[in-house]
Amino acid sequence: GQSLEQPSEVTAVEGAIVQINCTYQTSGFYGLSWYQQHDGGAPTFLSYNGLDGLEETGRFSSFLSRSDSYGYLLLQELQMKDSASYFCAVRGYGGATNKLIFGTGTLLAVQP
Amino acid sequence: GAGVSQSPSNKVTEKGKDVELRCDPISGHTALYWYRQSLGQGLEFLIYFQGNSAPDKSGLPSDRFSAERTGGSVSTLTIQRTQQEDSAVYLCASGYAVGGQTEAFFGQGTRLTVV
Repeated sequence: GQSLEQPSEVTAVEGAIVQINCTYQTSGFYGLSWYQQHDGGAPTFLSYNGLDGLEETGRFSSFLSRSDSYGYLLLQELQMKDSASYFCAVRGYGGATNKLIFGTGTLLAVQP
Repeated sequence: GAGVSQSPSNKVTEKGKDVELRCDPISGHTALYWYRQSLGQGLEFLIYFQGNSAPDKSGLPSDRFSAERTGGSVSTLTIQRTQQEDSAVYLCASGYAVGGQTEAFFGQGTRLTVV
């Protein structure tokens, strides 16, 4: 099966940098994605790592290391509006693993 | 263009009643997912449709749950004989799910309350 573990909660202050980790146990998969979900809202796509290494999109960066079964989302220059839940996700190669599976989620609280 | 649309947005039903939740995906998307999210919890996979392939039903929690996707577009999730533990937000998402494409577009969900 596939499982993705994340810390349940992270707290940080405005302007700081925070890293949200995702460790996974899964067979082959295409890559690691990250989604953001504000309270009461729908999840929205943030980033995708198909290859190992760092992908940067503005204040957000995401990293993947397949050899370590590990990835993370890095948020810089935190703003109050970044307070939300963040989920990592994978989609496997075909067959029973082809569905998009989400991690346990991390609730980020940004404090002034 | 329009995003993923789900209806109703809220549904209150009595225990034991059947409910139908509807999802209109983004036109052209071949993949359609249903997830369940309880308050403060993660996204629990329920079922996945991809093109004309047989759906992956491995996440359906019991035989009271079923889903269909007609004409490769609209999907309906049916819960029979609802129980209080079925209360949750039911989220639908669509995407292409081809190769490394993993971006899924979510609807706003249906909040189901079983009383």
